[in-house]
Amino acid sequence: SQQGEEDPQALSIQEGENATMNCSYKTSINNLQWYRQNSGRGLVHLILIRSNEREKHSGRLRVTLDTSKKSSSLLITASRAADTASYFCATPLGGAQKLVFGQGTRLTINP
Amino acid sequence: DGGITQSPKYLFRKEGQNVTLSCEQNLNHDAMYWYRQDPGQGLRLIYYSQIVNDFQKGDIAEGYSVSREKKESFPLTVTSAQKNPTAFYLCASSIFTSDQPQHFGDGTRLSIL
Repeated sequence: SQQGEEDPQALSIQEGENATMNCSYKTSINNLQWYRQNSGRGLVHLILIRSNEREKHSGRLRVTLDTSKKSSSLLITASRAADTASYFCATPLGGAQKLVFGQGTRLTINP
Repeated sequence: DGGITQSPKYLFRKEGQNVTLSCEQNLNHDAMYWYRQDPGQGLRLIYYSQIVNDFQKGDIAEGYSVSREKKESFPLTVTSAQKNPTAFYLCASSIFTSDQPQHFGDGTRLSIL
């Protein structure tokens, strides 16, 4: 069951630029989570935004949530080579603890 | 340091053979999960467990089996019934509520000889 879908599938930018990734989902949620995955590694949790929040910041990360449009965005400011990774959004399925992941955005930061 | 340990990092399976992937956590989390990831794709849930001695099927449970005899351990067996087992397998754990993040191990890459 596909809940979240990221856009774009791939993004390549120059170091220092900002990167924006989008996530759309289908059903009502109580939170949405963003994860990063470096090549060949496990996922690392970045940020969780609850349905009653519209924006959340963590360092160079800014996440927005628009429940009326069922969409979220992840902005990485002043990108660095170390930000090169795949980024996934995930939403809980119903009231359960199960998370449904999108297919991810592959971000490449060029030096 | 607390975390999740998956072993082995690489695993090879012969046709008709069962293999077991290990997942151990010392985070004192109640819930544990197994995901499969194919190249360039997202994660698909295989099995999950919210408490010891209990587990539920995810979206793609056919050809897999699990056990949860201890809170810390959630091994996954890829059986010979799984016809396309080549993939990257990820184990995760979380506190047992729906608004907590999942913590992931570094995965096991399974290939067919």
